[in-house]
Amino acid sequence: DIQMTQSPSSLSASVGDRVTITCRASQGIRNDLGWYQQKLGKAPQRLIYATSSLQSGVPSRFSGSGSGTEFTLTISNLQPEDFATYYCLQHNSYPLTFGPGTKVDI
Amino acid sequence: DVQLLESGGGLAQPGGSLRLSCAASGLTFSTYAMNWVRQAPGKGLEWVSIISPSGETTYFADSVQGRFTISRDNYKNTLYLQMNSLRVEDTAVYYCAKGGKSGGFDIWGQGTVVTVSS
Repeated sequence: DIQMTQSPSSLSASVGDRVTITCRASQGIRNDLGWYQQKLGKAPQRLIYATSSLQSGVPSRFSGSGSGTEFTLTISNLQPEDFATYYCLQHNSYPLTFGPGTKVDI
Repeated sequence: DVQLLESGGGLAQPGGSLRLSCAASGLTFSTYAMNWVRQAPGKGLEWVSIISPSGETTYFADSVQGRFTISRDNYKNTLYLQMNSLRVEDTAVYYCAKGGKSGGFDIWGQGTVVTVSS
């Protein structure tokens, strides 16, 4: 099974900050990675697919990069509605696996 | 708009069974893979199972293999998860999620709560 790790596990930031979250895979997954945002008590929503493609309707301050085993989600100009938990997901091979999450709060 | 609406959650005893349903609307259901994803209280997301558009191919997480069955009715636009031999650790919010064309999950339902307790 492919193991996914995320760092940091949590971070504190302020409105207007630039935030970077890293996701690492235990083996190469090409660009088969997505990023998901989950707000408290709500279903997750996809932000990024195929490593760097922005999901329709998602603000352009979200961006993704990386390949192989190391991937990054960047939020530029953090907004109040961005305080949430972020998960990466690899869909290169079964079982599909999520990272443990990164909580972004004030 | 695409909508996914889960139902069937509730309280079950250890060793018991539940069947979850996910009714889809606003999409050509039969052309998409569908998934179940769960989240235990206070924990992260865990993928559970996937079924191909035709229903011929399925995969499961190791934690549910042999106990859970995924199926679909493309005439009724409905996805199912039959959960047998339930364990306390199966307690979670269960989400159905539509497979995206580039992989992953592009649409999620609102979730249904499953509690396994004696």
